[in-house]
Amino acid sequence: EAAVTQSPRNKVAVTGGKVTLSCNQTNNHNNMYWYRQDTGHGLRLIHYSYGAGSTEKGDIPDGYKASRPSQENFSLILELATPSQTSVYFCASGDAGGYTEVFFGKGTRLTVV
Amino acid sequence: GDKVKQSPSALSLQEGTNSALRCNFSIAATTVQWFLQNPRGSLINLFYLVPGTKENGRLKSTFNSKESYSTLHIRDAQLEDSGTYFCAAEAKGGNYKPTFGKGTSLVVHP
Repeated sequence: EAAVTQSPRNKVAVTGGKVTLSCNQTNNHNNMYWYRQDTGHGLRLIHYSYGAGSTEKGDIPDGYKASRPSQENFSLILELATPSQTSVYFCASGDAGGYTEVFFGKGTRLTVV
Repeated sequence: GDKVKQSPSALSLQEGTNSALRCNFSIAATTVQWFLQNPRGSLINLFYLVPGTKENGRLKSTFNSKESYSTLHIRDAQLEDSGTYFCAAEAKGGNYKPTFGKGTSLVVHP
């Protein structure tokens, strides 16, 4: 079973502050993803990565940066957090063998006040 | 419009009954995944499908790529089946990034 670990699990941040959400996977998957989940929207893709050093914009990248320093780690960075970024964030990983089953972490609940 | 459309958006079932959830795709889906988000918020993998059918216990899922839909059948619903069901499709040429539907919220009551 794929193991994806997110930290922190809960975070309260102030408007204008910098927030970093971390994700670690131990399955040597090439692809990693950051989604946010909001009521009425399902899960929406923010950024994704094909491997160490790679980051790609997803469907809603504005206000977010991503970093993939290694195969195992993928971070989501909010340089200037805003209340509209209050959400639950999910990290996922998947292999890139042509078909990609993804496995999710348990999520990070972020509140920006 | 939504690339992955789930129906119904909400469903209430009596324990022991059967039902089906559906996803329609406006993209050329090549694979489909079904997840259950439990009341604690965790996303649990249920099925990963190329075109065809898979079955696991009381759950059965079909993916028809030619007609652009997938179904999830729940047989003999139990209380622990309650939660939100999501489907996610990966599209041909989609760079391996699954697109999610908005989910079906299921409540199973005694």
